[in-house]
Amino acid sequence: SYVLTQPPSVSVAPGKTAKITCGGSNIQIKSVHWYQQKPGQAPVLVIYNNGDRPSGISERFSGSNSGDTATLTISRVEAGDEADYYCQLWDVDSDRLFGPGTKVTVL
Amino acid sequence: QVQLVESGGGVVQPGRSLRLSCAASGFIFSDYAMHWVRQAPGKGLEWVAVVSYDGSDEYYADSVKGRFSISRDNSQNTLYLQMNSLRVDDTAVYYCAKDGLLLVLGDYFDYWGQGTLVAVSS
Repeated sequence: SYVLTQPPSVSVAPGKTAKITCGGSNIQIKSVHWYQQKPGQAPVLVIYNNGDRPSGISERFSGSNSGDTATLTISRVEAGDEADYYCQLWDVDSDRLFGPGTKVTVL
Repeated sequence: QVQLVESGGGVVQPGRSLRLSCAASGFIFSDYAMHWVRQAPGKGLEWVAVVSYDGSDEYYADSVKGRFSISRDNSQNTLYLQMNSLRVDDTAVYYCAKDGLLLVLGDYFDYWGQGTLVAVSS
């Protein structure tokens, strides 16, 4: 089965850039999606198909996918970006699969 | 705007059954596949099941295959999850989620409900 890895936590100062990685074997051939989940709330789609942004999502959120790593980048980080972030993809053996999640802390 | 409202959660003993519902509004329900995704307390997200836009196809995670059944009533804009032979490790918040693609089984979820808690305990 396919395995996704994410760092458990990322810390970033306000106004700086946060990069959250999602690792997987040759992940570049897959479409990766990203969700933000704040405490006590449902997840929200922030990036789909590696780098597309749903309507209503800030331009500060961007995504890329190359080699064995997909990356969610949050520019000019704000206090309101503090949340758990999950990557997700579809795999023929693992079906719809989520990464373990990364907790982003704004210092 | 898109709204998904889950109901039917609660406390249930191991081995018993429960049926969850998800009432949808704000979009053409019959045009989209629908999913259930769950989250155990303090844990990450786990996809559970999907049903195609017309109800003709269903797919399940291995962890629930043979015990859970997903269905939909397009005349009532409602999604269901029938959960049988419940186990302690089925304890989770269950979210219904709308598929991101029109008329096909897509692989991402563009809208989510607020979730309903299922607690399996003796």
